[in-house]
Amino acid sequence: GNSVTQMEGPVTLSEEAFLTINCTYTATGYPSLFWYVQYPGEGLQLLLKATKADDKGSNKGFEATYRKETTSFHLEKGSVQVSDSAVYFCALSDSDQAGTALIFGKGTTLSVSS
Amino acid sequence: NAGVTQTPKFRVLKTGQSMTLLCAQDMNHEYMYWYRQDPGMGLRLIHYSVGEGTTAKGEVPDGYNVSRLKKQNFLLGLESAAPSQTSVYFCASSYFEAWGSGANVLTFGAGSRLTVL
Repeated sequence: GNSVTQMEGPVTLSEEAFLTINCTYTATGYPSLFWYVQYPGEGLQLLLKATKADDKGSNKGFEATYRKETTSFHLEKGSVQVSDSAVYFCALSDSDQAGTALIFGKGTTLSVSS
Repeated sequence: NAGVTQTPKFRVLKTGQSMTLLCAQDMNHEYMYWYRQDPGMGLRLIHYSVGEGTTAKGEVPDGYNVSRLKKQNFLLGLESAAPSQTSVYFCASSYFEAWGSGANVLTFGAGSRLTVL
């Protein structure tokens, strides 16, 4: 079946360090891919998305490129801040059919210290 | 604009008790979902609805029931709570982006933390 695999956390970085969180997926067809972020005590918020191969999603300095040949959607940021500390979820939507639920990875906790 | 509102935010139950979680959205979204979040497990889909009066099972539906009597509300019920249902429950709703972009974007509530003793 369809699935998403993320790197295990926690990831601990110093402020201004480079961030990579790996995400790979298994899906039939051509899924849409997402990164969601969950700040402490809150629900998930959409961070960025990509709907087809080679698309690059970007938001708030974060980027991820949809790589069909490696079935990957790695999240990157050039210089993290303390305020980026959160749990990051990679997800896929395996159909363009309206109402299709997302399949989530297990989440990666990021902790940034000053 | 409240978005997606979940009530209650916290609840403690004893084994065998029943309860209902309420999700309300004010965005006129057609689709609604209930997920549960457990440590090391990510989010797993319990039930979902593609429109008023319709519901469908997700990945982990056992022990839960749902109803979508009004478009803006999606209720999650536990008829006889078990300790295994201790979790954080998230409701989400979505629209389908404009034709051609093909991305089903979910908006989440803040969560309801349920403890079953």
